[in-house]
Amino acid sequence: DAKTTQPPSMDCAEGRAANLPCNHSTISGNEYVYWYRQIHSQGPQYIIHGLKNNETNEMASLIITEDRKSSTLILPHATLRDTAVYYCIVRALDGTASKLTFGTGTRLQVTL
Amino acid sequence: EAGVTQFPSHSVIEKGQTVTLRCDPISGHDNLYWYRRVMGKEIKFLLHFVKESKQDESGMPNNRFLAERTGGTYSTLKVQPAELEDSGVYFCASSQVSGGGSPLHFGNGTRLTVT
Repeated sequence: DAKTTQPPSMDCAEGRAANLPCNHSTISGNEYVYWYRQIHSQGPQYIIHGLKNNETNEMASLIITEDRKSSTLILPHATLRDTAVYYCIVRALDGTASKLTFGTGTRLQVTL
Repeated sequence: EAGVTQFPSHSVIEKGQTVTLRCDPISGHDNLYWYRRVMGKEIKFLLHFVKESKQDESGMPNNRFLAERTGGTYSTLKVQPAELEDSGVYFCASSQVSGGGSPLHFGNGTRLTVT
């Protein structure tokens, strides 16, 4: 799987949009971009994933650049409960290599 | 719909003892994964089941770890004998299909402490 690069930490004011960047310059055409987060010591929580097109769900939006070499996770109105470590993961489309490989992620701190 | 459940939530054992962790995946999910996070390290993949078959066990650290999924439903991960370095949080996840478009859903983990 392609490697990803994320900033180690970010701050965001409550109520503002949190924009978390991720670089995946070696991504191949058969790899998805996935985002997970881990709050405290809970299990990783699935947020969103995409292949080429931008995606939106009730939690967040995922913006993937046209060349697919980077993406941004957007939490439109961050709350204190969004404080967590966010992981950007590239995952093969092929079912034989379907495991997720976690890196160090971005620690997002949402403040009042 | 019930999520992935893991039991126990915490376990404290002495070095040399045996511990068995259990994972119940989301109903209907054929794919089951085990991961672990040891102190200060990243979350690491251990193995992947498709139904009752081991699809990928490349992350299993050594032969003290044995994972089973008889009948393709729940799974157990046994550590025998436990060592100090096995302490950490063990996560289980499941997904509906193997393909990259099917998200993994994680349980809240079992925190294992070996003293």
